[in-house]
Amino acid sequence: EDQVTQSPEALRLQEGESSSLNCSYTVSGLRGLFWYRQDPGKGPEFLFTLYSAGEEKEKERLKATLTKKESFLHITAPKPEDSATYLCALEIAGSARQLTFGSGTQLTVLP
Amino acid sequence: NAGVTQTPKFRILKIGQSMTLQCAQDMNHNYMYWYRQDPGMGLKLIYYSVGAGITDKGEVPNGYNVSRSTTEDFPLRLELAAPSQTSVYFCASGPTGLAGGQETQYFGPGTRLLVL
Repeated sequence: EDQVTQSPEALRLQEGESSSLNCSYTVSGLRGLFWYRQDPGKGPEFLFTLYSAGEEKEKERLKATLTKKESFLHITAPKPEDSATYLCALEIAGSARQLTFGSGTQLTVLP
Repeated sequence: NAGVTQTPKFRILKIGQSMTLQCAQDMNHNYMYWYRQDPGMGLKLIYYSVGAGITDKGEVPNGYNVSRSTTEDFPLRLELAAPSQTSVYFCASGPTGLAGGQETQYFGPGTRLLVL
């Protein structure tokens, strides 16, 4: 069975304190791994797509990496505005572009 | 472009009532999806469509129905609402093929549904 597990469930950081969020997965065939940001009361907002092991993508203070079993979302020198829930999702090969989501990591960055 | 729009934003239903959640997109995407998100959980796929006239079940379809008569619209119908359907519902749309690595699903703002 295809599974996505995110850790930790919640993370509190001081402003400027770098850290990483984890997304581990077991799938029969991975077409792509997606990272989304979700603010309270809003829909998920796209951050990155990763397709193959070794791939990395960056956007401002965020950097996503992918291995054959997991993905990391690295947050460098976070600011309070980075506070949100970060969702990881998988697109399984052969599916109709459907996404299987993890339960998310709720990140709080304190000033 | 408005992107993906959903109505209503919030609704309270009594047990046994029915309603339709509306979803529209103006990006000419072939693929559209309905998800539900329960508190502290990720999104679970209810139904999806790969084009007008074509729909299929996702992970949690029981108690719901969909139709897709146009590319733009993908309404979700709740028949005989139950407390277990209390959730936040998100509609999403996405392109069919690769688009330079920026392909993704685009989400609407959500409909918060409370069944009492």
